[in-house]
Amino acid sequence: QITLKESGPTLVKPTQTLTLTCTFSGFSLSSNEVGVGWLRQPPGKTLEWLALIYWDDDKRYSPSLKSRLTLTKDTSKNQVVLTMTNMDPVDTASYYCAYRPPGTTGGVFNHWGQGTLVTVSS
Amino acid sequence: DIVMTQSPDSLAVSLGERATINCKSSQSVFSSFHKRDYLAWYQQKPGQPPKLLIYWASTRESGVPDRFSGSGSGTDFTLSISSLQAEDVAVYYCQQYYSFSYTFGQGTKLDIK
Repeated sequence: QITLKESGPTLVKPTQTLTLTCTFSGFSLSSNEVGVGWLRQPPGKTLEWLALIYWDDDKRYSPSLKSRLTLTKDTSKNQVVLTMTNMDPVDTASYYCAYRPPGTTGGVFNHWGQGTLVTVSS
Repeated sequence: DIVMTQSPDSLAVSLGERATINCKSSQSVFSSFHKRDYLAWYQQKPGQPPKLLIYWASTRESGVPDRFSGSGSGTDFTLSISSLQAEDVAVYYCQQYYSFSYTFGQGTKLDIK
């Protein structure tokens, strides 16, 4: 059974750096073609893909946010960490990590964490 | 970025009736290399994360009821629910995964009439 869970601060101040951790179980991020992605959803709005890290440590970032995002993985701990710099109130959203299964291409996600709401406010 | 536009923004359908949601991409999401459309559909209920329903435009995810079906190719796609059930009330999103930034449509809210 695949599960993912996001953890991190619920409130950050403008200009601060956000660090979110995705802890997962039921799969290994060293398995061929597997990936873990991050997406977000501002309240009442649509979804936005942020970043994706693959089993071979290849990383892809949203072009519009690339300069602010960094992904790392710790395969032994079954964790993926997303950092986003220079946070702004417009970054207020629910942040999700999600599993990209093998046999697909790109950003298709069939297991999601419950999400964590991050509010950016002074 | 590829822009995904869904229609309608909301709709209400009677129980047991057919619901149809459309999705149009600003450019083709068909891969001539893989001969597939890089288009997915998700369902999101209040307070829950999205749930993958359909990928490759028409392949149903494991465990998804067969009343859900996807069709279309190139730039025009459709999600159909053949006989609406009460538990299908949700917001539905299309997503292209042909190119970064894997963009989503604005969502279609489906209610019971």
